[in-house]
Amino acid sequence: KAGVTQTPRYLIKTRGQQVTLSCSPISGHRSVSWYQQTPGQGLQFLFEYFSETQRNKGNFPGRFSGRQFSNSRSEMNVSTLELGDSALYLCASSLAIRTYSYNEQFFGPGTRLTVL
Amino acid sequence: GQQVMQIPQYQHVQEGEDFTTYCNSSTTLSNIQWYKQRPGGHPVFLIQLVKSGEVKKQKRLTFQFGEAKKNSSLHITATQTTDVGTYFCAGPTSYDKVIFGPGTSLSVIP
Repeated sequence: KAGVTQTPRYLIKTRGQQVTLSCSPISGHRSVSWYQQTPGQGLQFLFEYFSETQRNKGNFPGRFSGRQFSNSRSEMNVSTLELGDSALYLCASSLAIRTYSYNEQFFGPGTRLTVL
Repeated sequence: GQQVMQIPQYQHVQEGEDFTTYCNSSTTLSNIQWYKQRPGGHPVFLIQLVKSGEVKKQKRLTFQFGEAKKNSSLHITATQTTDVGTYFCAGPTSYDKVIFGPGTSLSVIP
């Protein structure tokens, strides 16, 4: 079974631009969650989508948004990029048999975003 | 707000020595998960503990969930260079979000 894939793997943007990241979950997984990983803040939860609905949201500004499509693929968008948005953005999928937090998460390789 | 802490932040061991990382939550957890992230890689699920006092083993790795379900530990016996990486614990908040600990970075000196 193919793992979680994320595109692009690397991205360089300038302040003020916007960016869209893509995540394809493992086949059959309906839950997709997004995380931001930085050396200073560690792994921080952004949001979780299940059946095209956002079920959970972390403490990030409204510039961070996402969506999920009917095939469970998900996109994350960051508008008006700031230098502090430079990070590794990880997507994870899970079966979500129970609630989100009870499920083993399978992480993708991440998208390394650099904001100049 | 709810916090999940891990100690130590870094650990350097000689190959063959044992290693333990501790995870502490400010609130009771319904379950706890452990992940390993190799340098340059992504987190990989290791195990989930659900019951109070639960102990699970995976070869040289032993995981424990505290009686009060507020702390957990991961112990590696006789470390190998393949154990290098950052070990994260993760638990749910009361709002069903997952909060990760800051991780313990393990270096193994051959």
